[in-house]
Amino acid sequence: EAGVAQSPRYKIIEKRQSVAFWCNPISGHATLYWYQQILGQGPKLLIQFQNNGVVDDSQLPKDRFSAERLKGVDSTLKIQPAKLEDSAVYLCASSLLRAPIHFGNGTRLTVT
Amino acid sequence: KNEVEQSPQNLTAQEGEFITINCSYSVGISALHWLQQHPGGGIVSLFMLSSGKKKHGRLIATINIQEKHSSLHITASHPRDSAVYICAVRSTGNQFYFGTGTSLTVIP
Repeated sequence: EAGVAQSPRYKIIEKRQSVAFWCNPISGHATLYWYQQILGQGPKLLIQFQNNGVVDDSQLPKDRFSAERLKGVDSTLKIQPAKLEDSAVYLCASSLLRAPIHFGNGTRLTVT
Repeated sequence: KNEVEQSPQNLTAQEGEFITINCSYSVGISALHWLQQHPGGGIVSLFMLSSGKKKHGRLIATINIQEKHSSLHITASHPRDSAVYICAVRSTGNQFYFGTGTSLTVIP
């Protein structure tokens, strides 16, 4: 079974620039999550999709972050404009209901 | 206050030692997950459990639903076990809450 695919693996941008991350979940997984993991901390949920609908985006900084999952499969997460404190690893994960969660390898973002 | 608390935050052990990592949570859950994250690596799911005990190789996970507590044990620890171990719970509302992780270093 192919895992959760994320790209790019690394990204370095200057503050105030824009960046987008892409995620392809495991086939058939209806639930997709985007997490932000700052060094030394546990993952923090940014947004959770069930198919193409948003279940929870309460911790998404909506003034600068946006995410979509238009066809209920792939998803993109965008930051516009980026701030220094956005430097983190952005993890995508997917799961079936009441099943183990599978994580991608993440995108390490550095904002300078 | 975090919904999931782990202890210890950091742990150093000699190769061969028995290791225990603890997790307490405060929300109603449908399942608890133990995850492993190697430096620079992705996160791998080790266990998903909702009751009792599970074993996989040298790893054992237990959960006590009444006490809202889980433990991850590693028997005969090895340097390749060095990683961050994260406890996460899936709430009854289908949300995930994560602990901040336990950084384990096993010295040869």
